[in-house]
Amino acid sequence: DAGVIQSPRHEVTEMGQEVTLRCKPISGHNSLFWYRQTMMRGLELLIYFNNNVPIDDSGMPEDRFSAKMPNASFSTLKIQPSEPRDSAVYFCASRPGQLYGYTFGSGTRLTVV
Amino acid sequence: EDKVVQSPLSLVVHEGDTVTLNCSYEVTNFRSLLWYKQEKKAPTFLFMLTSSGIEKKSGRLSSILDKKELFSILNITATQTGDSAVYLCASNTGNQFYFGTGTSLTVIP
Repeated sequence: DAGVIQSPRHEVTEMGQEVTLRCKPISGHNSLFWYRQTMMRGLELLIYFNNNVPIDDSGMPEDRFSAKMPNASFSTLKIQPSEPRDSAVYFCASRPGQLYGYTFGSGTRLTVV
Repeated sequence: EDKVVQSPLSLVVHEGDTVTLNCSYEVTNFRSLLWYKQEKKAPTFLFMLTSSGIEKKSGRLSSILDKKELFSILNITATQTGDSAVYLCASNTGNQFYFGTGTSLTVIP
């Protein structure tokens, strides 16, 4: 079991560019979560999906952020256009059901300059 | 391999009970251990622990770190239904956060 796989591990991009973060959940897990971690704001839940359907996206900071889950094995978090304040570590996590624990990916460290 | 392990995976207790949640870690370049409470929406930061043996307290919640045995516990006394949540533990190495699977706590009235 490879766990939750996120890519890239690190990304440095210029302000204004589009950034796409990718997540492959564990096979069989039907819930997927995107989190953002910063020193200032700590850990924030951005959005989560159940069975590929977005359930709660109220944590998405603004319209520049969008997330999709086209199938059970893949999700993307897109930022367009990116800004320096988006610099953070973005985590993806999945779990097989509400009564089960989360498995977190290694995170993507995003730096927007 | 760096990892954080939480136990139990889930817990159901009655109001008024005391619970202890466990978090063990094996990470290189350990800097701190963090506890979060995850309810429906965003995780809430509870504690950050860096030193061994010093208890941090906030109301009915307290936590302590043992850097020799590489674990931390989160205690909740006189539990209330509002304590029902998933409690996440994470280890910070400076470059990386490693999360446990969380402990799902359900408090029954």
